[in-house]
Amino acid sequence: AQSVTQLDSQVPVFEEAPVELRCNYSSSVSVYLFWYVQYPNQGLQLLLKYLSGSTLVKGINGFEAEFNKSQTSFHLRKPSVHISDTAEYFCAVSENNAGNMLTFGGGTRLMVKP
Amino acid sequence: IAGITQAPTSQILAAGRRMTLRCTQDMRHNAMYWYRQDLGLGLRLIHYSNTAGTTGKGEVPDGYSVSRANTDDFPLTLASAVPSQTSVYFCASSAAGEPYNEQFFGPGTRLTVL
Repeated sequence: AQSVTQLDSQVPVFEEAPVELRCNYSSSVSVYLFWYVQYPNQGLQLLLKYLSGSTLVKGINGFEAEFNKSQTSFHLRKPSVHISDTAEYFCAVSENNAGNMLTFGGGTRLMVKP
Repeated sequence: IAGITQAPTSQILAAGRRMTLRCTQDMRHNAMYWYRQDLGLGLRLIHYSNTAGTTGKGEVPDGYSVSRANTDDFPLTLASAVPSQTSVYFCASSAAGEPYNEQFFGPGTRLTVL
């Protein structure tokens, strides 16, 4: 069975600084990988996804993530954050033979300070 | 605007009471899901339905039941609520029961069981 670990529960960063949110997964088969964002008091929305092909995936709001199969990682990055990026970020994985089962990490709270 | 609605927005419930959380989508999606969100644990799948008339168990199904009488509605029932079911519950849907189809999330129901 797959599992997802988000290594940082909280990441404080100043506005306009770069940020990296870390995600590692465990699976014995090929996987699909996702990052979701949850703004305060809202549901989750998809930020980006890796299904196949290029390992560098670009998403909405200037975020990107890189799939590293050898390190089983899918870290999320943004070169310059804004106050409006303050939110909870979830990494999720689905094994490509597991139908619709998404397994989520515990989440990382990104706190952007002025 | 098309999407997923959940009701109620929040609820305080006495232990032992029965409660049904409602979820309706108007996107004609085949698949629907119920998750619970707990601090540090991310989202965990409770039950899912790949199509009307079928349901399946997720990671944490005990104490919950679901039904899928039609495409649009996917209610979640707690037959006899317990304090450990205090959580935020999210309903989601996707175009088909495949992981590469984006899951769209509702705004959530905050449930407190006393």
